[in-house]
Amino acid sequence: DTAVSQTPKYLVTQMGNDKSIKCEQNLGHDTMYWYKQDSKKFLKIMFSYNNKELIINETVPNRFSPKSPDKAHLNLHINSLELGDSAVYFCASSQDRRGAYNEQFFGPGTRLTVL
Amino acid sequence: GQNIDQPTEMTATEGAIVQINCTYQTSGFNGLFWYQQHAGEAPTFLSYNVLDGLEEKGRFSSFLSRSKGYSYLLLKELQMKDSASYLCASISLAYSGAGSYQLTFGKGTKLSVIP
Repeated sequence: DTAVSQTPKYLVTQMGNDKSIKCEQNLGHDTMYWYKQDSKKFLKIMFSYNNKELIINETVPNRFSPKSPDKAHLNLHINSLELGDSAVYFCASSQDRRGAYNEQFFGPGTRLTVL
Repeated sequence: GQNIDQPTEMTATEGAIVQINCTYQTSGFNGLFWYQQHAGEAPTFLSYNVLDGLEEKGRFSSFLSRSKGYSYLLLKELQMKDSASYLCASISLAYSGAGSYQLTFGKGTKLSVIP
């Protein structure tokens, strides 16, 4: 029944490792997003996909690579993890991109801790 | 560019009314959202305004003035469970991706409701 789900919920790893976070939505939405929320609780867009096509790619290190195998899934792979990558990563989806259709439904978040 | 300002923290008494202000400077403005985020949880949608005026939804109302780049969220009959962060977010044409719209979040206002 969960509308937007993410796995894992918690991720603790060493610096330099590579890790992936998975996201799935069962709302039939066309657009999906990855956000990073840092320790100061600032929520910042990283990527957005619409029907498997990358439409927003903010200034994010290229160690971060999103992948959308289909419009219901958007995964995030992070290479060579750094201490500064520690944050909560939220996946979200919306019906579309414009106006009210951009109402976003968020997943529960993945708390990433890099040691 | 996008710039959204809102107060960092507010405190109000149970049963009272509180108004959380948000000012924005956004190119390609396409509407304004308010989200609620309880500690350790994902943001959830509260309201969307695209035209000037007040939108009322139960105890919560949201107001928009496009000419002034100003919005507020009004919470009436405050309850303890309203203690949360309230995020103002504007939707606008994104810099990357033709025809793409992007939601830019403010840093959030942490509201504490006291007995």
